Amino acid sequence: DSGVTQTPKHLITATGQRVTLRCSPRSGDLSVYWYQQSLDQGLQFLIQYYNGEERAKGNILERFSAQQFPDLHSELNLSSLELGDSALYFCASSVLAGIQETQYFGPGTRLLVL
Amino acid sequence: AQSVAQPEDQVNVAEGNPLTVKCTYSVSGNPYLFWYVQYPNRGLQFLLKYITGDNLVKGSYGFEAEFNKSQTSFHLKKPSALVSDSALYFCAGGSGGYQKVTFGTGTKLQVIP
Repeated sequence: DSGVTQTPKHLITATGQRVTLRCSPRSGDLSVYWYQQSLDQGLQFLIQYYNGEERAKGNILERFSAQQFPDLHSELNLSSLELGDSALYFCASSVLAGIQETQYFGPGTRLLVL
Repeated sequence: AQSVAQPEDQVNVAEGNPLTVKCTYSVSGNPYLFWYVQYPNRGLQFLLKYITGDNLVKGSYGFEAEFNKSQTSFHLKKPSALVSDSALYFCAGGSGGYQKVTFGTGTKLQVIP
């Protein structure tokens, strides 16, 4: 158990809908990362937050947004969902924000868009 | 563009034998390289990383990887494979922050009893 929690574990929704994925980092970790793992695109970095501020942005679509709250949990919002958004979404956390930091991953949220 | 390649979709090895999972990279500047493991129906787990320093990096669960600059490789190795090592292994690399890190396509390791 990495100490990173993600809810829900599974989510089934329809095209055009909006969903919110939640991530709680390990106690004491200030940095949160979001990744997408899909059959088509493989593993991709989406976005990183550090202590409430956006720190780095990857291949995140404009239909997607994220934020990190004062209690350090993070939410990834996916809107106008398309079939291709079906994927496993991982959250990870680390103490600080640098590349030298070890990331700890949550179990993921599996999203199925029908 | 930065890229990481895992040339083998699957590697089969007998239990007790040494294992190698291959990774090559194409990164401008000084590379950061990582190995992650994904067990069935579970999240990613960090195994080891190379940032700078010794070319031989030791990681979790008895794994190690050798950074070879001339061959632009970062192969994952273990002296004696366990059945419990069977999983999907991802190499990742880049230069700069985590937003610059790209992942390989993954190699499925099957350790045969």
